[in-house]
Amino acid sequence: AQSVAQPEDQVNVAEGNPLTVKCTYSVSGNPYLFWYVQYPNRGLQFLLKYITGDNLVKGSYGFEAEFNKSQTSFHLKKPSALVSDSALYFCAVTSTTDSWGKFQFGAGTQVVVTP
Amino acid sequence: DTAVSQTPKYLVTQMGNDKSIKCEQNLGHDTMYWYKQDSKKFLKIMFSYNNKELIINETVPNRFSPKSPDKAHLNLHINSLELGDSAVYFCASSPRAQPTDTQYFGPGTRLTVL
Repeated sequence: AQSVAQPEDQVNVAEGNPLTVKCTYSVSGNPYLFWYVQYPNRGLQFLLKYITGDNLVKGSYGFEAEFNKSQTSFHLKKPSALVSDSALYFCAVTSTTDSWGKFQFGAGTQVVVTP
Repeated sequence: DTAVSQTPKYLVTQMGNDKSIKCEQNLGHDTMYWYKQDSKKFLKIMFSYNNKELIINETVPNRFSPKSPDKAHLNLHINSLELGDSAVYFCASSPRAQPTDTQYFGPGTRLTVL
């Protein structure tokens, strides 16, 4: 069975400081990992994904994520946070043993960026 | 142009009623999904259709019935609504039903059952 853990319910960071949102996973087979962002009263927006290749993945709005197979992690990072980055962030996983693209989402991490 | 659209955006109804939510995508994708987001923001897949065929059917009460009249549309009909059905329902689509495919989400339908 697939599972995703986002260990922090909320991350608080000052504007201009680095932002990290943590995600760990457990799958059978090789993982495919995704990050989405949800602004209030909006749908989920795709940020980036890891399928194969370079462990550092760059995505939208200056976000990047690093795949670490030994630690089974896929943490989302941004070097300098903006107030507008305040939102709910979801990590999701599928795998090579998944036939139909059935996403398993983490519980979400609320990011609060203060001016 | 909106890629994945849902109607209505808000739905308030009484217990016991029957209601439908509609979803349309103009991305030319083969696969569509319904997700439920509960009050704690937890997201869980309910159904998926690929080329109008049901491929994912999670443990969902049979009061929920999806219908895909064509590849661009996926509707969700809910019978005998209960208080616990109150949630935000998201439609999504992807190019194919592959685990590597990005899923693109609609804006959501907030269902409130009184």
